[in-house]
Amino acid sequence: GESVGLHLPTLSVQEGDNSIINCAYSNSASDYFIWYKQESGKGPQFIIDIRSNMDKRQGQRVTVLLNKTVKHLSLQIAATQPGDSAVYFCADLSVQGAQKLVFGQGTRLTINP
Amino acid sequence: DVKVTQSSRYLVKRTGEKVFLECVQDMDHENMFWYRQDPGLGLRLIYFSYDVKMKEKGDIPEGYSVSREKKERFSLILESASTNQTSMYLCASSRGQGTDATNEKLFFGSGTQLSVL
Repeated sequence: GESVGLHLPTLSVQEGDNSIINCAYSNSASDYFIWYKQESGKGPQFIIDIRSNMDKRQGQRVTVLLNKTVKHLSLQIAATQPGDSAVYFCADLSVQGAQKLVFGQGTRLTINP
Repeated sequence: DVKVTQSSRYLVKRTGEKVFLECVQDMDHENMFWYRQDPGLGLRLIYFSYDVKMKEKGDIPEGYSVSREKKERFSLILESASTNQTSMYLCASSRGQGTDATNEKLFFGSGTQLSVL
C-alpha cells in the first residue's frame, strides 16, 4: 500500500543553523505534498505545500524540495529558532486516488541553545 | 484565516460512557475529518464527510460513529468508550470542491485529549 515515511524520527540542531527534514513517499501517482508543523499541545499547522509540477518552493525561512525521481521530499528551515521546535509531518495526495492526505509519522525537531 | 474549533481541550470519561466530540469550522468548507493521534502511530483517519448528512469510513472506524447535520459541524461519537480509545482526537476541514489538489489542504483544530478510565 501507499505510505509516506520519514528518514529520521528526531533531529537536533543548534539555534541559528539550518535544518533539513526529509520524507520519502511511495505513491508514484502523488501530485501534491504538504508540510505541517505541530507544536506541543496543539493541532498541526500548515507550513508550505508543493505540486508535483514543481521541484522547489520557498516561503518565509522555509523551502520545500521535491525529487520525483526518487520520491523524496525535504523541508529546509533557515536560521532555526527556538520557536521552530515541533514535530514536522509530511503528507501527500493523489488527485487520481481517494483524494485523502496520507501522513508520515513525523520528525521531532529540537533546537539547542 | 480558517478556524476549526473543537469544543473540549481535555475530557475524562469512564469505560462504557457515550462520548461526543464536537467540531465546528467557520469557512464554509465542504470536507471534514476526524483523526486520532497516538505516539508512534501518527495520524490515523477515523471518519470523514464530503457533504452534509454524508459520511465515509476512514482507516479505523471501529468503535466510532459520526454525525454531520450541518455543513459547519462534524461530531465524533464513541458509543461505548473503552480504554483503548484514550487518545488525542483531531478534527480537520478542507475546502474540497473540484479537482485542484490544494482544495484538499487540511486545516486542523487544536485537538481534544480524551482519557477513558
